[in-house]
Amino acid sequence: AQSVTQLGSHVSVSEGALVLLRCNYSSSVPPYLFWYVQYPNQGLQLLLKYTSAATLVKGINGFEAEFKKSETSFHLTKPSAHMSDAAEYFCAVTLSGSARQLTFGSGTQLTVLP
Amino acid sequence: NAGVMQNPRHLVRRRGQEARLRCSPMKGHSHVYWYRQLPEEGLKFMVYLQKENIIDESGMPKERFSAEFPKEGPSILRIQQVVRGDSAAYFCASSPPGTSGSLKTQYFGPGTRLLVL
Repeated sequence: AQSVTQLGSHVSVSEGALVLLRCNYSSSVPPYLFWYVQYPNQGLQLLLKYTSAATLVKGINGFEAEFKKSETSFHLTKPSAHMSDAAEYFCAVTLSGSARQLTFGSGTQLTVLP
Repeated sequence: NAGVMQNPRHLVRRRGQEARLRCSPMKGHSHVYWYRQLPEEGLKFMVYLQKENIIDESGMPKERFSAEFPKEGPSILRIQQVVRGDSAAYFCASSPPGTSGSLKTQYFGPGTRLLVL
């Protein structure tokens, strides 16, 4: 079985500051990891994914995440926050092999302060 | 290439009525997933289907909920005799066939927001 923990349900940063959203996972086999962003009353948009290639993954809108097996983490970062980054961010995991369902974290609401 | 399409986007039902939610996957995608998002919560897996087959329904409530993905047409999530606790956003996702990480990536539709009065 797999699980995802997102530390911090709400994160506030100033515009231009570093964004760091934390995600830790638990799985019994090598995982595939994803970050999705959800804007109010919209669906989920894929930001980036780790699928066992490079451990540092670059995504859209300047976001990137690093897979650290020793820490079982997949934290999302962006060097400089923009007002348009304000949204809810979800980390999700699925397993290698035949399994397909995504297990989501509870989400982190990012607020960007002017 | 159109994305995942869901309709209706908003659905209002009274207690005891039926709700039918539709999902058309991305072109070339043969795997469909349904997730439910309750207010202030993350998404919870409900069911995974391929054409004419339910592969995994471990997240589906045992009663009143059913899903199908017929040979022709969209996938349908059906909720019978809705109750207020069914009010939520229901998201559909799709992915292409295959088991590599990239092929297991799921792409989400805009969701159907169900309100039960």
